[in-house]
Amino acid sequence: AQSVTQPDIHITVSEGASLELRCNYSYGATPYLFWYVQSPGQGLQLLLKYFSGDTLVQGIKGFEAEFKRSQSSFNLRKPSVHWSDAAEYFCAVGPGGYQKVTFGTGTKLQVIP
Amino acid sequence: SAVISQKPSRDICQRGTSLTIQCQVDSQVTMMFWYRQQPGQSLTLIATANQGSEATYESGFVIDKFPISRPNLTFSTLTVSNMSPEDSSIYLCSVELAGGPDTQYFGPGTRLTVL
Repeated sequence: AQSVTQPDIHITVSEGASLELRCNYSYGATPYLFWYVQSPGQGLQLLLKYFSGDTLVQGIKGFEAEFKRSQSSFNLRKPSVHWSDAAEYFCAVGPGGYQKVTFGTGTKLQVIP
Repeated sequence: SAVISQKPSRDICQRGTSLTIQCQVDSQVTMMFWYRQQPGQSLTLIATANQGSEATYESGFVIDKFPISRPNLTFSTLTVSNMSPEDSSIYLCSVELAGGPDTQYFGPGTRLTVL
């Protein structure tokens, strides 16, 4: 069965610092991978997705993620964090069928001045 | 993308009662889904809302507890029936847009507290 692990429950970074959120997945074939962000009181917004091709994926709001098959990882990065990036981030994996998308438990990002 | 709204945004309900949550999309979509996000946990798919037919429920979720309607391509409701405190969660509606396979867009969610 597919699964997603986000090992960091909570991360605190200073505004302007770089950010990397970890995501490890378990899936038997090439997965579809997603990162979503959930701001307080809001629904989930898609940041980026990987289906195939270039393993470095660019998303909205200056985020990028890199698919590393050898490490079963899809880490999310941003070179310089803004206070408005404070939110919860969810990694998700699926085989291409929406019914089977599995979400990680989320990483809550706090940004300090 | 699509604009997805949910009503109510939050509610506090008594044990044993039922609550119906509405999801409205500003464009016609084929696929609509309902998720539950329990406190401190990730999202769990409840069911796929099928237009004109019965919803498709995931393991652990049943129609008697979570009846779903989908009368047209822009609207769906989820009812949480005979509620208990364990039903306290955020309930999220999501859609998959044509031309965006396997990519879901989420509504703002309904925060439900059951006393």
